Amino acid sequence: DAKTTQPPSMDCAEGRAANLPCNHSTISGNEYVYWYRQIHSQGPQYIIHGLKNNETNEMASLIITEDRKSSTLILPHATLRDTAVYYCIVSYNDMRFGAGTRLTVKP
Amino acid sequence: SAVISQKPSRDICQRGTSLTIQCQVDSQVTMMFWYRQQPGQSLTLIATANQGSEATYESGFVIDKFPISRPNLTFSTLTVSNMSPEDSSIYLCSVDGAEQFFGPGTRLTVL
Repeated sequence: DAKTTQPPSMDCAEGRAANLPCNHSTISGNEYVYWYRQIHSQGPQYIIHGLKNNETNEMASLIITEDRKSSTLILPHATLRDTAVYYCIVSYNDMRFGAGTRLTVKP
Repeated sequence: SAVISQKPSRDICQRGTSLTIQCQVDSQVTMMFWYRQQPGQSLTLIATANQGSEATYESGFVIDKFPISRPNLTFSTLTVSNMSPEDSSIYLCSVDGAEQFFGPGTRLTVL
């Protein structure tokens, strides 16, 4: 029932910015865009979320298009520890996970 | 941020038996969620547990197989009943908030 589309895998060089895209063309007006990541079968870790405006925190930046139909998660300086599966979720109150993007950060 | 603990962290069980997984939160929360993650797969929402009411199950999950209790605002249990090898998964609980937090998971293997 995931309402998002993400590439199945991406690679990124260590120290470079990782830009992870997400399409959510059927997003409703009250739904937020959330990003989580899961490292090696640990519990998912919250990264960032937003409604309309771009957001930044200590982990990442979230860029949401004006029509809200897509977004990009940016990890500004990827490290090897950022290797994980990244999930983009659109939700009002419960998280429904799609397949996510497996990001591999390479030395 | 909420701190969530789960017990047991892992277990190996025989088919036909049942296992109850506990989820404890360090603060009061309105909604708690239970997820299943089968090997190599993404997370699937099983049910939403609100204190004082019956849990709400997602399509494909039934109360007889996955009974849930929510006795107070900091605790919930999920029971996996009459287990088969297909129930081998990681089971995670989660709580609502501006950021939905997840527990570390319970890794269940059914032989």
